[in-house]
Amino acid sequence: QQQVKQSPQSLIVQKGGISIINCAYENTAFDYFPWYQQFPGKGPALLIAIRPDVSEKKEGRFTISFNKSAKQFSLHIMDSQPGDSATYFCAAPQTSGSRLTFGEGTQLTVNP
Amino acid sequence: EAGVAQSPRYKIIEKRQSVAFWCNPISGHATLYWYQQILGQGPKLLIQFQNNGVVDDSQLPKDRFSAERLKGVDSTLKIQPAKLEDSAVYLCASSWSDRGNYGYTFGSGTRLTVV
Repeated sequence: QQQVKQSPQSLIVQKGGISIINCAYENTAFDYFPWYQQFPGKGPALLIAIRPDVSEKKEGRFTISFNKSAKQFSLHIMDSQPGDSATYFCAAPQTSGSRLTFGEGTQLTVNP
Repeated sequence: EAGVAQSPRYKIIEKRQSVAFWCNPISGHATLYWYQQILGQGPKLLIQFQNNGVVDDSQLPKDRFSAERLKGVDSTLKIQPAKLEDSAVYLCASSWSDRGNYGYTFGSGTRLTVV
């Protein structure tokens, strides 16, 4: 059973700053490691995902850094905006099948 | 592409009552998941279907929870009898394949309050 630890629980950043959220997993699986963004009253929405044979993936202001040897991956949000204020979840795949185990979430607040 | 539809959006019931949630996945998505999200926590998998067969229900409290996916499309999740600790958002997600998690799409969920 995959275990996922996410930190920090909450994060406050000024507009234009960099937000960094970290995630550690236990079991290696060859499938995507995604980050989800959730706004109040909505379901989680896929933000960005990375395959474990890649060390970094960038999409606009969002970057995932993946460290396979340390079993860690992180989300970097550059030039953070108030509209980025949401809860962010990392997820790690089970060793077989398509099931995801989610972290406990990070509540990000970007102050204007 | 229409998203994952769930109903109702909200439900308030008394403990020991029963409740059912409905999910309609994205057209063509063979894999369907039900997750439970307690306030302030990440979603936790309850059950996974591939078409109308169960792939994983190891985390489903089978003494009170049941789920079915008739004809491999819509799914219902039932709780009977409900307990206070079942208060949570119940999320349905679907994906087109059971061979990878990319393209996992969630619905907006049903918020259940048990009083």
